[in-house]
Amino acid sequence: AQSVTQLDSHVSVSEGTPVLLRCNYSSSYSPSLFWYVQHPNKGLQLLLKYTSAATLVKGINGFEAEFKKSETSFHLTKPSAHMSDAAEYFCVVITGGATNKLIFGTGTLLAVQP
Amino acid sequence: EPEVTQTPSHQVTQMGQEVILRCVPISNHLYFYWYRQILGQKVEFLVSFYNNEISEKSEIFDDQFSVERPDGSNFTLKIRSTKLEDSAMYFCASSEGTGRSQYYGYTFGSGTRLTVV
Repeated sequence: AQSVTQLDSHVSVSEGTPVLLRCNYSSSYSPSLFWYVQHPNKGLQLLLKYTSAATLVKGINGFEAEFKKSETSFHLTKPSAHMSDAAEYFCVVITGGATNKLIFGTGTLLAVQP
Repeated sequence: EPEVTQTPSHQVTQMGQEVILRCVPISNHLYFYWYRQILGQKVEFLVSFYNNEISEKSEIFDDQFSVERPDGSNFTLKIRSTKLEDSAMYFCASSEGTGRSQYYGYTFGSGTRLTVV
């Protein structure tokens, strides 16, 4: 069965400093992985996706993530945080097959200090 | 850009009452989903729906829950007799297809916040 583990429930950074949100996955086959963002009282927005093409994936708003099979990781990074990045971030794996349901991680709440 | 639309955005209901949450998926999508997020917890899969029937459901989706696509455009989630623990944000989503070898886009609605009092 597939799963994802987000290693930090809260991350706090200063504006202009790098962001690193960590995610490890478990899968019996090559997974499709995603990062979603949820701003307060808003829906879920897809940031980026990995579907077995390039291992370095670029998303919206300057975010990117690197799929590392040897480390079973899919960490989300951004070189320079902006106040508007403050939100909850979910690492997600898709099960594929007949249903294609999403399995969400527990989320990382990113705070950006001025 | 096509959107998944959910109504209402907020609903407050008394315990024991029936509620219907409504969703309009993207018109050419074939697969429909409901997820929920209890406050402070992770997003959980409830049910998937394809070809007018449930294709998979989670343990959460018990006999109190049902889904329907009554008119070819709406996709509804009904909770027959609400409990306090049903209070959550409910997200509808739709996708064009499924399959491990090809990713089909998944689009979420903005959610319905259900509060059971």
